Amino acid sequence: ETGVTQTPRHLVMGMTNKKSLKCEQHLGHNAMYWYKQSAKKPLELMFVYSLEERVENNSVPSRFSPECPNSSHLFLHLHTLQPEDSALYLCASSQEGKSGPRYTQYFGPGTRLTVL
Amino acid sequence: AQTVTQSQPEMSVQEAETVTLSCTYDTSENNYYLFWYKQPPSRQMILVIRQEAYKQQNATENRFSVNFQKAAKSFSLKISDSQLGDTAMYFCAFGLDTGTASKLTFGTGTRLQVTL
Repeated sequence: ETGVTQTPRHLVMGMTNKKSLKCEQHLGHNAMYWYKQSAKKPLELMFVYSLEERVENNSVPSRFSPECPNSSHLFLHLHTLQPEDSALYLCASSQEGKSGPRYTQYFGPGTRLTVL
Repeated sequence: AQTVTQSQPEMSVQEAETVTLSCTYDTSENNYYLFWYKQPPSRQMILVIRQEAYKQQNATENRFSVNFQKAAKSFSLKISDSQLGDTAMYFCAFGLDTGTASKLTFGTGTRLQVTL
């Protein structure tokens, strides 16, 4: 596997279900991100992890719970979602620090989530 | 807060022709980065080109080049010799260093269709 991978690619869930999205980066990066992409809206930054610590949470409802067990893996745990949460969820990673190509984020293919 | 505006929701260009996508942004920061990302129908977001705000020279990557006008807060993308594979959504993004990670603010995107 190369780059940033995400599983599953598609997910359909009911409002009472609990599911998790997984992201894995194979680039040796130290920062990871969750974005929500809805039709005709800009990408919305949800969470940022740097060196496995959450450094940003953009007022995301508590029904979304991120987890970053190490610098290569990022999860988004979902529970009691609403139909308006249906969207494409993108994971990204970047290398932050004093050297190297800072700020450029590399994206995964996304998970298309449908909440019934 | 930063904002990014892409005023062209859709554009069309014939193969081998040149097309320019517009992007303007608003910020009070002086040091930042600008990006163009491409999202083909398969949904994988790919970096096209990036520009450091402190550099006066416009970035180029093969057929892709930018016109960066810092005072006007404008960052347009020019695609020369358009190819069918250039068909995609193009997102302009503004990047800011938060100290621990980079934070990207995206525009709403321009859908580019390359035709025969």
